[in-house]
Amino acid sequence: AQSVTQPDIHITVSEGASLELRCNYSYGATPYLFWYVQSPGQGLQLLLKYFSGDTLVQGIKGFEAEFKRSQSSFNLRKPSVHWSDAAEYFCALLDDKIIFGKGTRLHILP
Amino acid sequence: DGGITQSPKYLFRKEGQNVTLSCEQNLNHDAMYWYRQDPGQGLRLIYYSQIVNDFQKGDIAEGYSVSREKKESFPLTVTSAQKNPTAFYLCASSPSGITDTQYFGPGTRLTVL
Repeated sequence: AQSVTQPDIHITVSEGASLELRCNYSYGATPYLFWYVQSPGQGLQLLLKYFSGDTLVQGIKGFEAEFKRSQSSFNLRKPSVHWSDAAEYFCALLDDKIIFGKGTRLHILP
Repeated sequence: DGGITQSPKYLFRKEGQNVTLSCEQNLNHDAMYWYRQDPGQGLRLIYYSQIVNDFQKGDIAEGYSVSREKKESFPLTVTSAQKNPTAFYLCASSPSGITDTQYFGPGTRLTVL
């Protein structure tokens, strides 16, 4: 069955440090993949998406993600995090509907 | 500005009462969706509609009802049959069908007392 796994429930990084959030998927064909961000009490904002083509995808707010078919992964990265990046991040897979991971909450240390 | 609006942001109801959550979009999107979000559970699809006057059940439709009389509007009613209605509810829309990028509203937090 199609699924999305975000192995880390919580991640803490220091402001200015680099960030990588993991996302693994299970899907039989080439997937359509998304990363969304949710600030507390808010809706989800689309950061980036991968449908095909270049496996390194650039998004908003300085985020990027790399699709690796061999590892069934679509990890989200940012070179230097800001305190405003503290939020919950959701990876999602598009099949006959969107399948969301359970999210990773990012905490930023000053 | 184009976008998706949900009202109200916070809603309180007594147990046993039906309550309707509003979702409006001015993006001219064909498809609209309702999700429920509980801590640690991610998002779960309640209902979706790909066209006016048509909608389908999602994964957790029991205790909920929807209507899609206008393209811009997709209200969700939480009925008294929903056993655990307290949650954060998110509305989304996409330009075409369910196999398209979804954009989300700000959410409504429903608390049933």
